[in-house]
Amino acid sequence: SAVISQKPSRDICQRGTSLTIQCQVDSQVTMMFWYRQQPGQSLTLIATANQGSEATYESGFVIDKFPISRPNLTFSTLTVSNMSPEDSSIYLCSATGLGGNQPQHFGDGTRLSIL
Amino acid sequence: GIQVEQSPPDLILQEGANSTLRCNFSDSVNNLQWFHQNPWGQLINLFYIPSGTKQNGRLSATTVATERYSLLYISSSQTTDSGVYFCAVPSIYSGGYNKLIFGAGTRLAVHP
Repeated sequence: SAVISQKPSRDICQRGTSLTIQCQVDSQVTMMFWYRQQPGQSLTLIATANQGSEATYESGFVIDKFPISRPNLTFSTLTVSNMSPEDSSIYLCSATGLGGNQPQHFGDGTRLSIL
Repeated sequence: GIQVEQSPPDLILQEGANSTLRCNFSDSVNNLQWFHQNPWGQLINLFYIPSGTKQNGRLSATTVATERYSLLYISSSQTTDSGVYFCAVPSIYSGGYNKLIFGAGTRLAVHP
């Protein structure tokens, strides 16, 4: 199964600033996804990171707030822009392997706190 | 869209006890995953189980796809089993690949 590395693992940021989270997979994967987990809540999909094209965002999430890049099959970034305390969450990257009906594997997440 | 419901929402066990967690889903699915989120926030794959039964040590899972539910069994619980257990099912994505819809989770605390 794919090993997914995320960094940073945690950060404390000032409101109004932006932070970019990196996600690296150790093998080629088809799909990469970004999820948000607000405190005490379940995971919610932010967007699907598409290689070489614009990400596909879920309802309630917009590109200006969460720009995503995926320059190749094994790497993606998520930027949380103009942060406010409401953005304090765990952000997780996931990926599925080649072939149909593959399980999703998750990185360890980035725990973000906004002051 | 598809709905995923987990029960119970909270569970407290004494070490050594057994438990059953349930996941109901509102539509047909072609796969289902169980995850354990430990107290440090790491999300660990437990089972990928579209149907049937799988076992991994003290844990086992059964999915009855025709009746739209899955069960996760934890036997002889240990304090390290504490955390939140999520089930997740795919929702068809327009690109032909599945995105996961997560249940609200079952929060488990195992006391010594």
